[in-house]
Amino acid sequence: DAGVIQSPRHEVTEMGQEVTLRCKLISGHNSLFWYRQTMMRGLELLIYFNNNVPIDDSGMPEDRFSAKMPNASFSTLKIQPSEPRDSAVYFCASSRGVGHTEAFFGQGTRLTVV
Amino acid sequence: AQTVTQSQPEMSVQEAETVTLSCTYDTSESDYYLFWYKQPPSRQMILVIRQEAYKQQNATENRFSVNFQKAAKSFSLKISDSQLGDAAMYFCAYRRAGNQFYFGTGTSLTVIP
Repeated sequence: DAGVIQSPRHEVTEMGQEVTLRCKLISGHNSLFWYRQTMMRGLELLIYFNNNVPIDDSGMPEDRFSAKMPNASFSTLKIQPSEPRDSAVYFCASSRGVGHTEAFFGQGTRLTVV
Repeated sequence: AQTVTQSQPEMSVQEAETVTLSCTYDTSESDYYLFWYKQPPSRQMILVIRQEAYKQQNATENRFSVNFQKAAKSFSLKISDSQLGDAAMYFCAYRRAGNQFYFGTGTSLTVIP
């Protein structure tokens, strides 16, 4: 069974450009989490979904960030316009929503905004 | 709000020795799960061990075991017979039913040959 798949693995973009990060959940999972990791702030939860519905987006930094789940197995995180301070590793994780199971993480996308 | 605290930013251990990483958490819930994740330089987050709060018995996975003290809200990870491959950042995490995960700030473990 394939794990959580994120693309791209690395992204370098210029300030002001739009960036889209992608995530494919593990089949059968119905909770989806987007995290951002930096040296200064550690792992920050940006948003999480249950059954395609955003439950908590209080971690989304500002209106420049948006996340969607167009279907049960796929999610996107978009940054428009991007800024140098958005540079970080972005992780997507999924889990079964029922019960208390662990989160399975993708390999992350390292974003560099220059 | 739930918080997870890892008070040791860095730890080191001699190869083949034992090391314990500390974690405390704050919650008013009685039913929840606790996890330890490992993040090696490859940056992949890997589940090491998990503990159900309703279980009194401490979880064990080969060389990894936990000391779960529910009343004290403490959840430490013990690594026995440390190996070079254990060198990584270790994160403690808390989750309530169907809810988000709360992560600590991590402990960087160095294994000395």
